[in-house]
Amino acid sequence: AQSVTQPDIHITVSEGASLELRCNYSYGATPYLFWYVQSPGQGLQLLLKYFSGDTLVQGIKGFEAEFKRSQSSFNLRKPSVHWSDAAEYFCAVGIMNSGGYQKVTFGTGTKLQVIP
Amino acid sequence: DARVTQTPRHKVTEMGQEVTMRCQPILGHNTVFWYRQTMMQGLELLAYFRNRAPLDDSGMPKDRFSAEMPDATLATLKIQPSEPRDSAVYFCASGSSAPGETQYFGPGTRLLVL
Repeated sequence: AQSVTQPDIHITVSEGASLELRCNYSYGATPYLFWYVQSPGQGLQLLLKYFSGDTLVQGIKGFEAEFKRSQSSFNLRKPSVHWSDAAEYFCAVGIMNSGGYQKVTFGTGTKLQVIP
Repeated sequence: DARVTQTPRHKVTEMGQEVTMRCQPILGHNTVFWYRQTMMQGLELLAYFRNRAPLDDSGMPKDRFSAEMPDATLATLKIQPSEPRDSAVYFCASGSSAPGETQYFGPGTRLLVL
C-alpha cells in the first residue's frame, strides 16, 4: 500500500521569505502526486498535481513542486510567501487499484504560519 | 463557479441521536468521496462512490455509519446512533473518476456529539 510522509507538522516563515514543504511517498511505481491547501474552516483545494511529463509542476497562487523519483519526494515551494498563504498543506498520492479506480492517501499535513 | 455543497455546516447533537449529513456534488462529476478529519487521525477516507455505487467503504464503521447516493445530485452520510468519538469535520468531495483526478472538496460539516 502507498504511504505519504510529511515530516514537518508546523513551519513558521517570515512574509517574503521562501518556503519549501517536504513530502515523501512510498510506492513501487510512480503514483499520481498532489498538493492540497486547507484554509481555516474550509475544505481542501488543489494547488497542483503531477502524473507524468515535466518533473517541475506549476500550480495556483505561485506555488510549484518538483518530483524527484530518486528521492521519492514531491516537495512544494514558493519563492516569496504572503500572509494569505497561512494554512495547512496536504500532500497526497493516488494509485489506480485493482478495482479500476484511484485510491488517494493524504499525508498528515503541515501547518504554515506566516509572521510579519 | 461550480462547487460541492454540504449541509448542515455545523451540527451539535446528543449521544444516541441520528445524524444525517448531505452533499451535493458538482454537476457532471460521477465520483463522490466522504472523509472524516480529526486532530488525532488526520484525513480518513470513509466511503467512495462511482456512478452512485459504493466502490469502497472499508474505512467506515459499519455498525453505525451508512452512506448512500439516492440520486446523482445527492449523497448522504448517516450516523445512528452517534457517539462522542464521532465528533469531527466530515468532508464530501467529488471528481470525474479519470486517472489523476482532482477531488473537489465541500466546506465540511463540523459535528459535535455531546
